[in-house]
Amino acid sequence: EVQLVESGGGLVQPGGSLRLSCAASGFTFSSYNMNWVRQAPGKGLEWVSFISSSSSIIYYADSVKGRFTISRDNAKNSLYLQMNSLRDEDTAVYYCARSALPYYYGMDVWGQGTTVTVSS
Amino acid sequence: DIQLTQSPSFLSASVGDRVTITCRASQGINSYLAWYQQKPGKAPKLLISAAFTLQSGVPSRFSGSGSGTEFTLTISSLQPEDFATYYCQQLNSYPLTFGGGTKVEIK
Repeated sequence: EVQLVESGGGLVQPGGSLRLSCAASGFTFSSYNMNWVRQAPGKGLEWVSFISSSSSIIYYADSVKGRFTISRDNAKNSLYLQMNSLRDEDTAVYYCARSALPYYYGMDVWGQGTTVTVSS
Repeated sequence: DIQLTQSPSFLSASVGDRVTITCRASQGINSYLAWYQQKPGKAPKLLISAAFTLQSGVPSRFSGSGSGTEFTLTISSLQPEDFATYYCQQLNSYPLTFGGGTKVEIK
């Protein structure tokens, strides 16, 4: 079964850090580009970051650029999001999502999400 | 950045109704548009890729059309399991962007 499972969410104070992980299974992880997408409580979807299959291409939303770092370990079938200098507005459910093939087909596999709460 | 404007943001409909949701892009995005369905507490589900390609397993009552800057998602006969929020997403350029969503509720 094709599956993505996120972990690492939790409660953190403003200015703090958190590292999210996404474990992939059921497909050849190293062949796919990956994304992080978040959803603030009661709000819509916001794309956060993209990483290509070989990590050679990386993009970030302006709202997280300079604070978040996406990475992957193809040997461990894992995707990561290092989040630093967290702000209240980073509070959201964070999803990892696989880019479909071809890329412009959207995101065809999503994890269940992990909740990040930034609050003092 | 490319802005996507969905309309309506909310609609109330009955089982069996034909429903159309529109997504307008601030600039041309070819046909690089996807549609997702999201139910409360769940992850989004990809319904339609590249404006009109139905994903495997998605019922044929769902269809997509459009190109350039205007796109539509149509549900030909609304079923009870279709009550959800629908989002469009452009994949023409980074940053990727989503529309604001359309919540479809039972009348």
